[in-house]
Formats: sequence, C-alpha cells, structure tokens
Amino acid sequence: AQTVTQSQPEMSVQEAETVTLSCTYDTSESNYYLFWYKQPPSRQMILVIRQEAYKQQNATENRFSVNFQKAAKSFSLKISDSQLGDTAMYFCAFSGSNQFYFGTGTSLTVIP
Amino acid sequence: DTGVSQDPRHKITKRGQNVTFRCDPISEHNRLYWYRQTLGQGPEFLTYFQNEAQLEKSRLLSDRFSAERPKGSFSTLEIQRTEQGDSAMYLCASSLAGGQGDYGYTFGSGTRLTVV
Repeated sequence: AQTVTQSQPEMSVQEAETVTLSCTYDTSESNYYLFWYKQPPSRQMILVIRQEAYKQQNATENRFSVNFQKAAKSFSLKISDSQLGDTAMYFCAFSGSNQFYFGTGTSLTVIP
Repeated sequence: DTGVSQDPRHKITKRGQNVTFRCDPISEHNRLYWYRQTLGQGPEFLTYFQNEAQLEKSRLLSDRFSAERPKGSFSTLEIQRTEQGDSAMYLCASSLAGGQGDYGYTFGSGTRLTVV
C-alpha cells in the first residue's frame, strides 16, 4: 500500500527567508507522480509543483523547488524568498495507478 | 470553463437526514474524485469515476454513501441518514489522466457539511 508521511505538523519562517518542508513516501510502483498542494485558510487547494518519478531533474516553479530522492523515497519542497501569501497548509501527494494519497499536511506560517 | 464547481458551499443538516452534493468538473477532464477532509487532516479518498464509470470506492465508505456521475459529466454524492461523524469538508477534484501522464488534480472549493 502507498503511504505518504509528512513529519512536520507545523513550521514557521521569516518573510524573505527559505524554508524546506519534508515528505517521504512508500510504494512498490516504479512509475508514479509526486505533487505538493497548497491550501490557504478557508480556500481551495491548489497545485504548487509536480514531479515525474522517472525524471531525475528536480522540478522548479518560480520560488518553489523540490529535492526528489527516489532511492530514499523522499520529496521535499523548498520555498525561497517566503512571502506572507505562502501561509497555508501544504500537502504532499503521491499518484500511482488509480488514485492520490495525501500526507497529513504541514501548516506553514510566514512571519512578517 | 472556470474550474471545478461544488454546490452547496455549506450545508447544515439534522442527524438522520439525507444530503446531496453536486460537483461540476472541468469539462475536458475524464476523471472525477470525491475526497473527505476533516480539520487538520489531509484529504481522504472516497471514490472516483473515469467518465461515467465508478472505478473505485474506498472501503472506508459506508453503505450510506453513494455517488453517481451520469453521462460522465457532473457528479452527485449522497449521504443517507447522516451522522455527526459525517461532518467534514467534502472535496471534489477532476483530472485528465491518460497517455501524457498525470497532471494532478484541480480541486473545487468544497462543501462543508455540519451535522447537528
């Protein structure tokens, strides 16, 4: 069975600083996708970044980048130059054969 | 097409009543998913459709829950004889899955159910 683990329930970062959110997963599948989703307070969940497991190159989207370590089954999210609007719950997700598996989330607060 | 729409946004119901939620996915998306999310938790898979076929249903889903997607367009999720434990945010998401790979979900804003 697939599992996604986010071991940091809460994190905080000073505005303009860099923060890294951790995620590990477990799967026996060889072809899959990994995602980070952001859920601001009382707002809908949006996709932040996507990584294809067969690509070794780490995905980047502006201030967001990932460190994908396939052998270690690790998929961390780095947010550079943190902004107040980055305050949200962040969910790591794994997509295998049929459905997504979400982690329990990390609540990130950006401090002005 | 402005994204995934869910209706209603909020629903308060008395225990024992039936409720029905609607989801309109992005029209080009062939997959539609229902998730449940409680406070401080990640979304929990309930069921999903590919076109009009319901392909998977969570074992956590009791017989009181049923979902339909007639004609592969919008979907409804019905909860019969609601219980207080059903109080949660019900999220709908759609995706385009196929040969080009998995591009992730587009989520709706959710329906918040409160059972009193």
